[in-house]
Amino acid sequence: SAVISQKPSRDICQRGTSLTIQCQVDSQVTMMFWYRQQPGQSLTLIATANQGSEATYESGFVIDKFPISRPNLTFSTLTVSNMSPEDSSIYLCSVQTGRNTEAFFGQGTRLTVV
Amino acid sequence: GENVEQHPSTLSVQEGDSAVIKCTYSDSASNYFPWYKQELGKGPQLIIDIRSNVGEKKDQRIAVTLNKTAKHFSLHITETQPEDSAVYFCAASPTGTASKLTFGTGTRLQVTL
Repeated sequence: SAVISQKPSRDICQRGTSLTIQCQVDSQVTMMFWYRQQPGQSLTLIATANQGSEATYESGFVIDKFPISRPNLTFSTLTVSNMSPEDSSIYLCSVQTGRNTEAFFGQGTRLTVV
Repeated sequence: GENVEQHPSTLSVQEGDSAVIKCTYSDSASNYFPWYKQELGKGPQLIIDIRSNVGEKKDQRIAVTLNKTAKHFSLHITETQPEDSAVYFCAASPTGTASKLTFGTGTRLQVTL
């Protein structure tokens, strides 16, 4: 298993600003992902965070809006840039500890943009 | 890309009854199908998963069935308990693993006394 700590757990931000969300895992993991869950809706994969290289983004998500870092095997950050109210969502970090293992999720960061 | 539909969106059952949630997927390449339970204020937690080389998997009160021909899979919870109340999500992936998951729209299950 993996214990995932996300910071902050929630935040209220002004439009036009940026917020960086941190994801710390208690052990080295092979894969790290970032998901978005809009209020009352499903989860959508934003990107796969790759250690030492650029993240792999899914359709509809771009690096300029959601820059991601993964400097090592236990830590990643997601930045939500130039925020608008439409960015209000829960952002979730997810990890796989091995190639064929299940995905574990953090508790999420609840972002409200005003 | 993959599209996963999930029904029903809400489900209310009495304690002790069974609950069934159904999902259909569009991409015939999908081969890994996990189910997650999400409680209020928490991240999703895996409850059971199935790969495309089997048709059914059971873990105590929880079972999942997969029909590859029809491209649908279902979650079955027997002898429901109040602590089963949560939002349940199905998902599908073409990688055989939990990477590149496409999630269903979720089912809010309420187990009443």
